[in-house]
Amino acid sequence: QAVVTQEPSLTVSPGGTVTLTCDSSTGAVTSGHYPYWLQQKPGQAPRTLIYDTSNRHSWTPARFSGSLLGGKAALTLSSAQPEDEAEYYCLLSYSGVGVFGGGTKLTVL
Amino acid sequence: EVQLVQSGAEVKKPGESLKISCKASGYSFTSYWVAWVRQMPGRGLEWMGIIYPGDSDTRYSPSFQGQVTMSADKSINTAYLQWSSLKASDSAMYYCARRQGFDPWGQGTLVTVSS
Repeated sequence: QAVVTQEPSLTVSPGGTVTLTCDSSTGAVTSGHYPYWLQQKPGQAPRTLIYDTSNRHSWTPARFSGSLLGGKAALTLSSAQPEDEAEYYCLLSYSGVGVFGGGTKLTVL
Repeated sequence: EVQLVQSGAEVKKPGESLKISCKASGYSFTSYWVAWVRQMPGRGLEWMGIIYPGDSDTRYSPSFQGQVTMSADKSINTAYLQWSSLKASDSAMYYCARRQGFDPWGQGTLVTVSS
Protein backbone atom coordinates (compact mmCIF):
# COMPACT_ATOMS: atom_id res chain seq x y z
CA GLN A 1 0.00 0.00 0.00
CA ALA A 2 1.22 3.47 -0.84
CA VAL A 3 2.49 5.79 1.87
CA VAL A 4 1.48 9.45 1.78
CA THR A 5 3.83 11.85 3.56
CA GLN A 6 3.19 15.33 4.93
CA GLU A 7 5.26 17.70 7.03
CA PRO A 8 4.55 16.82 10.69
CA SER A 9 4.35 20.46 11.72
CA LEU A 10 4.62 23.97 10.33
CA THR A 11 4.36 27.44 11.82
CA VAL A 12 3.11 30.56 10.08
CA SER A 13 2.79 34.12 11.31
CA PRO A 14 -0.60 35.82 11.24
CA GLY A 15 -1.00 37.36 7.81
CA GLY A 16 1.77 35.19 6.41
CA THR A 17 1.82 32.53 3.72
CA VAL A 18 2.64 28.84 4.12
CA THR A 19 2.60 25.84 1.80
CA LEU A 20 1.84 22.33 3.00
CA THR A 21 2.84 19.44 0.76
CA CYS A 22 1.70 15.88 0.18
CA ASP A 23 4.07 13.29 -1.27
CA SER A 24 3.40 9.79 -2.58
CA SER A 25 5.74 6.82 -2.14
CA THR A 26 4.76 5.56 -5.60
CA GLY A 27 6.08 8.59 -7.46
CA ALA A 28 4.83 11.97 -8.54
CA VAL A 29 1.39 13.06 -7.38
CA THR A 30 -0.84 13.83 -10.35
CA SER A 31 -4.39 14.98 -10.89
CA GLY A 32 -5.23 11.28 -11.27
CA HIS A 33 -4.71 10.92 -7.53
CA TYR A 34 -7.58 13.39 -7.04
CA PRO A 35 -5.84 15.13 -4.11
CA TYR A 36 -8.00 16.28 -1.23
CA TRP A 37 -7.13 18.57 1.64
CA LEU A 38 -9.01 18.37 4.92
CA GLN A 39 -8.89 20.51 8.05
CA GLN A 40 -9.54 19.15 11.51
CA LYS A 41 -9.72 21.17 14.70
CA PRO A 42 -9.59 19.54 18.15
CA GLY A 43 -12.77 17.74 19.08
CA GLN A 44 -14.33 18.25 15.66
CA ALA A 45 -14.99 16.10 12.64
CA PRO A 46 -12.76 16.78 9.65
CA ARG A 47 -13.93 19.27 7.05
CA THR A 48 -12.91 19.10 3.43
CA LEU A 49 -11.34 22.28 2.08
CA ILE A 50 -10.07 21.23 -1.35
CA TYR A 51 -11.04 18.37 -3.66
CA ASP A 52 -9.66 17.15 -6.98
CA THR A 53 -6.40 19.08 -6.60
CA SER A 54 -7.70 22.64 -6.57
CA ASN A 55 -11.47 22.87 -6.20
CA ARG A 56 -12.80 24.70 -3.18
CA HIS A 57 -16.07 23.87 -1.45
CA SER A 58 -18.50 26.74 -0.98
CA TRP A 59 -17.34 27.19 2.63
CA THR A 60 -13.63 27.17 1.86
CA PRO A 61 -12.06 30.60 2.36
CA ALA A 62 -10.38 31.96 -0.76
CA ARG A 63 -7.08 32.18 1.16
CA PHE A 64 -6.76 28.39 0.79
CA SER A 65 -5.65 27.11 -2.61
CA GLY A 66 -4.64 23.68 -3.88
CA SER A 67 -2.17 22.81 -6.60
CA LEU A 68 0.44 20.37 -7.85
CA LEU A 69 3.97 21.51 -7.12
CA GLY A 70 7.18 19.70 -7.94
CA GLY A 71 5.55 16.26 -8.06
CA LYS A 72 3.56 16.79 -4.88
CA ALA A 73 0.12 18.04 -4.01
CA ALA A 74 0.24 21.37 -2.23
CA LEU A 75 -2.06 23.44 -0.07
CA THR A 76 -1.15 27.12 0.13
CA LEU A 77 -2.58 29.31 2.84
CA SER A 78 -2.24 33.01 2.21
CA SER A 79 -2.88 35.68 4.81
CA ALA A 80 -3.12 33.13 7.62
CA GLN A 81 -5.65 33.80 10.36
CA PRO A 82 -5.57 32.58 13.97
CA GLU A 83 -8.59 30.37 13.25
CA ASP A 84 -6.56 28.47 10.64
CA GLU A 85 -4.57 26.77 13.39
CA ALA A 86 -5.51 23.11 12.95
CA GLU A 87 -4.40 19.72 11.69
CA TYR A 88 -4.41 19.38 7.92
CA TYR A 89 -4.64 16.06 6.11
CA CYS A 90 -4.17 15.25 2.48
CA LEU A 91 -5.89 12.29 0.85
CA LEU A 92 -4.80 10.61 -2.35
CA SER A 93 -6.69 8.04 -4.38
CA TYR A 94 -4.96 4.96 -5.79
CA SER A 95 -7.33 3.23 -8.22
CA GLY A 96 -10.29 4.08 -6.04
CA VAL A 97 -8.65 3.24 -2.71
CA GLY A 98 -7.77 6.23 -0.60
CA VAL A 99 -4.73 6.80 1.57
CA PHE A 100 -4.46 9.66 4.04
CA GLY A 101 -1.27 11.44 4.85
CA GLY A 102 -0.15 11.56 8.47
CA GLY A 103 -1.29 15.15 8.87
CA THR A 104 0.42 18.51 9.35
CA LYS A 105 -0.11 20.41 12.57
CA LEU A 106 -0.24 24.06 11.55
CA THR A 107 0.45 26.66 14.21
CA VAL A 108 -0.39 30.31 13.59
CA LEU A 109 1.96 32.27 15.82
CA GLU B 1 -29.71 20.02 3.77
CA VAL B 2 -27.29 17.28 2.85
CA GLN B 3 -26.15 15.51 5.99
CA LEU B 4 -24.96 12.28 7.52
CA VAL B 5 -25.98 11.47 11.08
CA GLN B 6 -24.15 8.71 12.91
CA SER B 7 -25.26 6.55 15.79
CA GLY B 8 -24.18 7.28 19.34
CA ALA B 9 -21.13 6.32 21.32
CA GLU B 10 -20.65 2.65 22.21
CA VAL B 11 -18.84 0.92 25.07
CA LYS B 12 -18.19 -2.77 24.47
CA LYS B 13 -16.11 -5.63 25.82
CA PRO B 14 -13.48 -7.49 23.80
CA GLY B 15 -15.06 -10.28 21.78
CA GLU B 16 -18.44 -8.59 21.50
CA SER B 17 -20.03 -7.66 18.18
CA LEU B 18 -21.03 -4.17 17.12
CA LYS B 19 -22.81 -2.42 14.26
CA ILE B 20 -22.73 1.37 13.95
CA SER B 21 -24.79 3.40 11.51
CA CYS B 22 -24.65 6.44 9.26
CA LYS B 23 -28.00 7.83 8.09
CA ALA B 24 -28.07 10.01 5.00
CA SER B 25 -30.54 12.72 4.13
CA GLY B 26 -30.89 15.50 1.60
CA TYR B 27 -29.48 13.62 -1.38
CA SER B 28 -29.89 10.45 -3.42
CA PHE B 29 -28.29 7.90 -1.07
CA THR B 30 -28.05 5.20 -3.72
CA SER B 31 -26.08 7.39 -6.16
CA TYR B 32 -22.93 8.16 -4.15
CA TRP B 33 -20.22 6.09 -2.50
CA VAL B 34 -19.97 6.38 1.29
CA ALA B 35 -16.56 6.18 2.95
CA TRP B 36 -15.64 5.03 6.45
CA VAL B 37 -12.67 6.57 8.22
CA ARG B 38 -11.02 5.58 11.51
CA GLN B 39 -9.24 7.91 13.90
CA MET B 40 -7.56 6.31 16.88
CA PRO B 41 -7.02 8.48 19.97
CA GLY B 42 -4.47 11.20 19.26
CA ARG B 43 -3.75 9.80 15.81
CA GLY B 44 -4.45 10.63 12.18
CA LEU B 45 -7.17 9.65 9.77
CA GLU B 46 -7.24 6.18 8.21
CA TRP B 47 -9.25 5.18 5.16
CA MET B 48 -11.16 2.00 5.91
CA GLY B 49 -13.15 1.55 2.73
CA ILE B 50 -16.13 2.62 0.70
CA ILE B 51 -19.55 1.25 -0.15
CA TYR B 52 -21.90 2.08 -3.01
CA PRO B 53 -25.40 1.83 -1.53
CA GLY B 54 -26.96 1.44 -4.98
CA ASP B 55 -25.69 -2.13 -5.29
CA SER B 56 -23.68 -2.60 -2.03
CA ASP B 57 -20.41 -2.82 -3.95
CA THR B 58 -17.62 -2.46 -1.39
CA ARG B 59 -13.90 -1.66 -1.58
CA TYR B 60 -11.84 -2.21 1.54
CA SER B 61 -8.42 -0.85 2.37
CA PRO B 62 -6.02 -3.82 2.69
CA SER B 63 -5.48 -2.88 6.33
CA PHE B 64 -9.17 -3.39 7.13
CA GLN B 65 -10.11 -6.21 4.76
CA GLY B 66 -11.51 -9.06 6.85
CA GLN B 67 -11.56 -6.94 10.01
CA VAL B 68 -14.82 -5.09 9.44
CA THR B 69 -17.89 -5.37 7.24
CA MET B 70 -19.58 -2.48 5.48
CA SER B 71 -23.21 -2.71 4.41
CA ALA B 72 -26.13 -0.49 3.47
CA ASP B 73 -29.92 -0.52 3.67
CA LYS B 74 -31.36 1.47 0.78
CA SER B 75 -34.85 1.45 2.24
CA ILE B 76 -33.77 3.62 5.16
CA ASN B 77 -30.82 5.48 3.57
CA THR B 78 -28.39 4.05 6.10
CA ALA B 79 -24.87 2.70 5.84
CA TYR B 80 -23.37 0.41 8.47
CA LEU B 81 -19.98 -0.62 9.77
CA GLN B 82 -19.78 -3.77 11.83
CA TRP B 83 -17.41 -5.95 13.78
CA SER B 84 -18.00 -9.59 14.70
CA SER B 85 -15.45 -9.72 17.50
CA LEU B 86 -14.10 -6.45 18.85
CA LYS B 87 -10.58 -5.95 20.12
CA ALA B 88 -9.26 -3.26 22.42
CA SER B 89 -7.35 -1.89 19.44
CA ASP B 90 -10.69 -1.13 17.71
CA SER B 91 -11.22 1.71 20.20
CA ALA B 92 -11.42 4.81 18.04
CA MET B 93 -13.63 7.47 16.54
CA TYR B 94 -15.27 6.29 13.32
CA TYR B 95 -16.52 8.72 10.69
CA CYS B 96 -18.61 8.26 7.59
CA ALA B 97 -18.47 10.70 4.70
CA ARG B 98 -19.97 10.95 1.25
CA ARG B 99 -17.11 10.03 -1.06
CA GLN B 100 -17.84 12.70 -3.68
CA GLY B 101 -16.04 15.80 -2.56
CA PHE B 102 -15.67 14.06 0.79
CA ASP B 103 -18.64 16.04 1.93
CA PRO B 104 -20.57 15.92 4.15
CA TRP B 105 -19.00 14.12 7.10
CA GLY B 106 -20.92 12.48 9.88
CA GLN B 107 -20.29 13.72 13.41
CA GLY B 108 -18.42 10.56 14.32
CA THR B 109 -19.15 7.56 16.52
CA LEU B 110 -16.81 6.90 19.44
CA VAL B 111 -16.24 3.21 20.05
CA THR B 112 -14.58 2.14 23.30
CA VAL B 113 -13.60 -1.49 23.77
CA SER B 114 -12.50 -2.34 27.27
CA SER B 115 -12.79 -5.22 29.66
